[in-house]
Amino acid sequence: AQRVTQPEKLLSVFKGAPVELKCNYSYSGSPELFWYVQYSRQRLQLLLRHISRESIKGFTADLNKGETSFHLKKPFAQEEDSAMYYCALIGAGGTSYGKLTFGQGTILTVHP
Amino acid sequence: DAGITQSPRHKVTETGTPVTLRCHQTENHRYMYWYRQDPGHGLRLIHYSYGVKDTDKGEVSDGYSVSRSKTEDFLLTLESATSSQTSVYFCAISDLGASGTDTQYFGPGTRLTVL
Repeated sequence: AQRVTQPEKLLSVFKGAPVELKCNYSYSGSPELFWYVQYSRQRLQLLLRHISRESIKGFTADLNKGETSFHLKKPFAQEEDSAMYYCALIGAGGTSYGKLTFGQGTILTVHP
Repeated sequence: DAGITQSPRHKVTETGTPVTLRCHQTENHRYMYWYRQDPGHGLRLIHYSYGVKDTDKGEVSDGYSVSRSKTEDFLLTLESATSSQTSVYFCAISDLGASGTDTQYFGPGTRLTVL
């Protein structure tokens, strides 16, 4: 069975500080990993996906297959980064139908 | 925002009553999903559809049924609502690429309270 774990329900940092949101997964094959974000009063939206290898809003995430982790990092947090962040996984293969397995979510608060 | 709407946006109902939530898309995406969002659980998949009249169960399907009679609409029905079904319900759509995975686009959510 596939599983995504986000160990921190809440994470608070000050503006300008580095931030790391942790995500660990369990999956027997080669999954595709995503980070989704939900800002206050907005829809859940894709932040980034590991196959794109891009930086969005200053965030990056590296897939570490050895540690089965996909932590989200930003060197200098901004107040507008305050949101709920979800790590999610899609199992590889044609029968997955794109079904996402989500972690429990981490609420990030960036203080001024 | 992708062309996804959900109705109603808020609903309060009583235990034992049937409830139907509607998801409507204008993107002509093949795949549609229903999730529920609960504190401590994140989002969990209820049912999904991989085409018109093609649906299957997700992780937490007990007490829910779905129907998809046309590409743009995906209905979620609670046959007899229970208090444990109080939640925020999200619809999502996607169009899988050659890799079998793609971005999911989410609707605004429906907040359901079962008294």
